[in-house]
This record gives sequence, structure tokens and C-alpha cells, in this order.
Amino acid sequence: AQSVTQLGSHVSVSEGALVLLRCNYSSSVPPYLFWYVQYPNQGLQLLLKYTTGATLVKGINGFEAEFKKSETSFHLTKPSAHMSDAAEYFCAVSEPPGNQFYFGTGTSLTVIP
Amino acid sequence: DAMVIQNPRYQVTQFGKPVTLSCSQTLNHNVMYWYQQKSSQAPKLLFHYYDKDFNNEADTPDNFQSRRPNTSFCFLDIRSPGLGDAAMYLCATSTYAGGSYNEQFFGPGTRLTVL
Repeated sequence: AQSVTQLGSHVSVSEGALVLLRCNYSSSVPPYLFWYVQYPNQGLQLLLKYTTGATLVKGINGFEAEFKKSETSFHLTKPSAHMSDAAEYFCAVSEPPGNQFYFGTGTSLTVIP
Repeated sequence: DAMVIQNPRYQVTQFGKPVTLSCSQTLNHNVMYWYQQKSSQAPKLLFHYYDKDFNNEADTPDNFQSRRPNTSFCFLDIRSPGLGDAAMYLCATSTYAGGSYNEQFFGPGTRLTVL
């Protein structure tokens, strides 16, 4: 069965510091991988996705993520946190590729001025 | 702009009083989803439609029903809301082609309060 693990339900970083949100998945085949962001009382917005090809994926708002098959990971990073990045972040997996989504439990990002 | 629209954004109902939430889309996507999201939790898929084919998740309570009268609209009916049904309800759409579901586009959600 597919599972998605997001390590750290709450992450705090200082404004301007590196953001690193972790996502690991369990899958026997490389899945499709997604990161979504959710601001308070809003729906989920797609940040980036990996399907095939280049393992380093760039998304909106300066975020990027790298698919590492050997580590079954798809961690989300941003070099310099901005106050507007404070939100809930969800990693999602689709396995087999193109099948239904499974969401992780989410990571709440706080940015400290 | 193409989008997913949910109305109302906030809905208050009474315990046991039926309520309907609506979702519409201008993306012309053939798949529509309903998720329930409780505070500080991940969205939980309730069901989805591929065109008019209805797909219910095994653990979705019978209290939750859905209708999709056409491509653009989808409704979530909660027949007898309980206090435990208070949550954010998210509608999403995607395309399904060539055996694959593509990324999902979400509406802003409807926050349901049950008194």
C-alpha cells in the first residue's frame, strides 16, 4: 500500500533562511510526486510536480524539489524564506503513476521575522 | 480565468438538517473530486466522478452523497449532518486520459459548521 510520510508536522524558519520540508514515500515503482500549498481557509494550490525526466523540479514562488529514487524522497526546498511562505504544505503521491492521489499529513511552515 | 468555484464559502447548518454544497468548474475537466479536511489534517477523499461514473471510497459514510448533473457541476449532499461532519470540504478537478489521472486543481473550499 502506498504511504506518504512528511517528517515534522511543524517547521519554523527565520525570514531569509533555507526552507526544507521533507517527504518520503513507499512505492515499488517510481510514482508521480506533487507538492501543494494551502493558505488558511483556502484550497490547495499546486507548487510543483514530478512525473518523468529531470529529477530536480522547479515550481512557483521559488520552490524546488528533487526526486531521489534511492532515498524514496521528494523534499521541498527554498533558498530564502519569505513571510508569505507561511502556510500548510502537503506532499502527494500518485501510484502507479497516474493513479489516485495519496496525501501526506502536512507540514505547517512558520516564518519568523 | 479557468477555475474551480465553491459555494458557499461558509455554511452553517443544524444537527441533522440536510445540507448541500456546490462546486462548479470552467476547466472542462472530466474528473471531479470531493474531499473532507478536518483541522490540521490532510484532505480525505470522499468520492470522485470520472465523467458520470461515480466512485465511492470504501470508508465514506452513507450520510454523504453526491450528484454530478453535467460536466461543470458537482454537489455534495450531507443527509443528516453530525457534529463530527464539521470540516472544510474541498472540491477538485483533474483530467483522466490515456489511463492516467493528472494533477488536481482545487477550489477554495466550503467550511461547514454544525450547530
